[in-house]
Amino acid sequence: QKEVEQNSGPLSVPEGAIASLNCTYSDRGSQSFFWYRQYSGKSPELIMSIYSNGDKEDGRFTAQLNKASQYVSLLIRDSQPSDSATYLCAVNHNGQGSSNTGKLIFGQGTTLQVKP
Amino acid sequence: DAGITQSPRHKVTETGTPVTLRCHQTENHRYMYWYRQDPGHGLRLIHYSYGVKDTDKGEVSDGYSVSRSKTEDFLLTLESATSSQTSVYFCAISGSGTSYEQYFGPGTRLTVT
Repeated sequence: QKEVEQNSGPLSVPEGAIASLNCTYSDRGSQSFFWYRQYSGKSPELIMSIYSNGDKEDGRFTAQLNKASQYVSLLIRDSQPSDSATYLCAVNHNGQGSSNTGKLIFGQGTTLQVKP
Repeated sequence: DAGITQSPRHKVTETGTPVTLRCHQTENHRYMYWYRQDPGHGLRLIHYSYGVKDTDKGEVSDGYSVSRSKTEDFLLTLESATSSQTSVYFCAISGSGTSYEQYFGPGTRLTVT
């Protein structure tokens, strides 16, 4: 069964620190990887997508992908109390080609708490 | 919310009654998805659509049906609601191409008493 695993947390970091969120996936054929942020009572919001090995930076966020190790991570620099939320890792496991329907498998999420 | 609306936003219904949730998009995206989110289970795919009148089952489709007669609307029906279907339901959309980024609607909180 294709799975996406995340530590549920909570992960607690002080304001201004780097928060590191991790995700592993089981399907070696996965091609697309996403990080969503979800505030309590709200819908998931896409914050990062990554498709190739290495790092991708967007503001204070950096996504890291290592397909050989089947590992995706999200770094949040200069963490702020407003970053306190649940972060969901999602993986597209259909592979390439016209048969891909874009289905995502989600991890259960890691709760991040940034303390002032 | 990327031009996605869901209705109703909140609903309380009784066991055994039919319920229909609506997802409406203004993005003209090809793919639409229905998820439910429950504590301890995360987001789970119920059904999805890859075009008008083209739908398929997700991992938790029992007790649910869907229809898509227009690009912009994707309906989720609980034929006979049960207490186990109390949940928060999210609709998501994704465009054609290879990015497969999904954007979520605001959600519907459904309580079955």
